[in-house]
Amino acid sequence: AQSVTQLGSHVSVSEGALVLLRCNYSSSVPPYLFWYVQYPNQGLQLLLKYTSAATLVKGINGFEAEFKKSETSFHLTKPSAHMSDAAEYFCAVTYTGRRALTFGSGTRLQVQP
Amino acid sequence: ETGVTQTPRHLVMGMTNKKSLKCEQHLGHNAMYWYKQSAKKPLELMFVYNFKEQTENNSVPSRFSPECPNSSHLFLHLHTLQPEDSALYLCASSQDLQGSYGYTFGSGTRLTVV
Repeated sequence: AQSVTQLGSHVSVSEGALVLLRCNYSSSVPPYLFWYVQYPNQGLQLLLKYTSAATLVKGINGFEAEFKKSETSFHLTKPSAHMSDAAEYFCAVTYTGRRALTFGSGTRLQVQP
Repeated sequence: ETGVTQTPRHLVMGMTNKKSLKCEQHLGHNAMYWYKQSAKKPLELMFVYNFKEQTENNSVPSRFSPECPNSSHLFLHLHTLQPEDSALYLCASSQDLQGSYGYTFGSGTRLTVV
C-alpha cells in the first residue's frame, strides 16, 4: 500500500538554524508529493508540491523540498528558521487513480529564540 | 481568504443535539472532502465527493451524515454524537479526485461535544 512516513513527531531548532523535516514515501508508481503547514486552530496551507517537473521545488516562506527517487524521500528544508515558522508540518502523497491524498502523521516544529 | 469557507468556526453541542457543518468553495473544484483531526492522531479521511457524488465513506459512524447538493457546497450533519467526536473538522477541495494539484483547505470547525 502506498503511504508516507514523517520521521520525528517533534523537531526543535534555534532561530536562524537550518530546518530539516523528513518525509519518506512508499510507491510503485510515480507520486505527487506535497508539504502543508498548519498553525494552531487553522486549516492546512499548501507550502509546495512536486508533480514530476523539477526535482527541487521551491515553496512559500522560503521553504524548499527535493524529490529523490532513489531514496524515496521528499524532505523539507529552510536555510534559516524564523520564530513564525513554529507550526505543524504535514507531508502528503497521491498517485494517478487514487481518490484522496494520504497524509503523514505530522511534525511539530518548535523554534527557540 | 483561503477559497474554502467553513462555518461555524466553533461549535459546542450536547450529545442529543442535531447540528450541521457547512463548507463552501467557489474555486471551480470538482472534488470535496471531510477530514477529522483529533489531538495526537493523524488526519482521518471521512468522506469524499466527486462532482457531488459520494465516492468514499471511510467507515464513518452513521451519526455523521454528509450531503453534497452541488459541487460548491458540502455539509456534515451531526446527531447523537459522543464526547470522543470532539475534534477539528476540516473541509478541503481539489481540482481532481486524486488531488494531483493539491487540496485547498478551509479553516475548520472546532467541535466540542458535551
